[in-house]
Amino acid sequence: DAMVIQNPRYQVTQFGKPVTLSCSQTLNHNVMYWYQQKSSQAPKLLFHYYDKDFNNEADTPDNFQSRRPNTSFCFLDIRSPGLGDAAMYLCATSRESVDRVGNEQFFGPGTRLTVL
Amino acid sequence: GQNIDQPTEMTATEGAIVQINCTYQTSGFNGLFWYQQHAGEAPTFLSYNVLDGLEEKGRFSSFLSRSKGYSYLLLKELQMKDSASYLCAVMDSNYQLIWGAGTKLIIKP
Repeated sequence: DAMVIQNPRYQVTQFGKPVTLSCSQTLNHNVMYWYQQKSSQAPKLLFHYYDKDFNNEADTPDNFQSRRPNTSFCFLDIRSPGLGDAAMYLCATSRESVDRVGNEQFFGPGTRLTVL
Repeated sequence: GQNIDQPTEMTATEGAIVQINCTYQTSGFNGLFWYQQHAGEAPTFLSYNVLDGLEEKGRFSSFLSRSKGYSYLLLKELQMKDSASYLCAVMDSNYQLIWGAGTKLIIKP
């Protein structure tokens, strides 16, 4: 089945120790997103790629970086995780049509990050 | 600024009907989405409205009034598995999704 896959599902890291989260998709969608979601809060968009074009949200901390080496894969790097970065990290994809409306986002299962 | 408002929590009884409201103020409008999110899981798509009116999909319906900046999600014949958070999200003029914090729906037997 076509899907969005995230690894690992649960990640534990130490304060300040770099961590990389991965996302892959078999939907062949041209747009990929990284969200951070804390408990009982709205998902917060960190980055999105429209094809290879990288778009960084204005309030995304420099501590967060992203890579998209090809259509199928996207990575989120957290260079020096702090306690405040503990959250669920969601990867999503969408297929942008010409008019760019009505395109639902398909989410992966998320990676729950714990920072000790 | 851009803002999506929805109630934090609602409680309903199994078999009943519940309406979850969402009001929005965004820079531009390119449609409104409803997503369901079970605890600890990713959001899953429920509905999309871009024109005024009601969209029905099985037990779930979604309504939109663009002039009022208002939408609701109507859930009929509630089942215990409907216990989840329901997130309202609006696509703005930059085609970005602006998300609400979600409404936690608790279903009681």
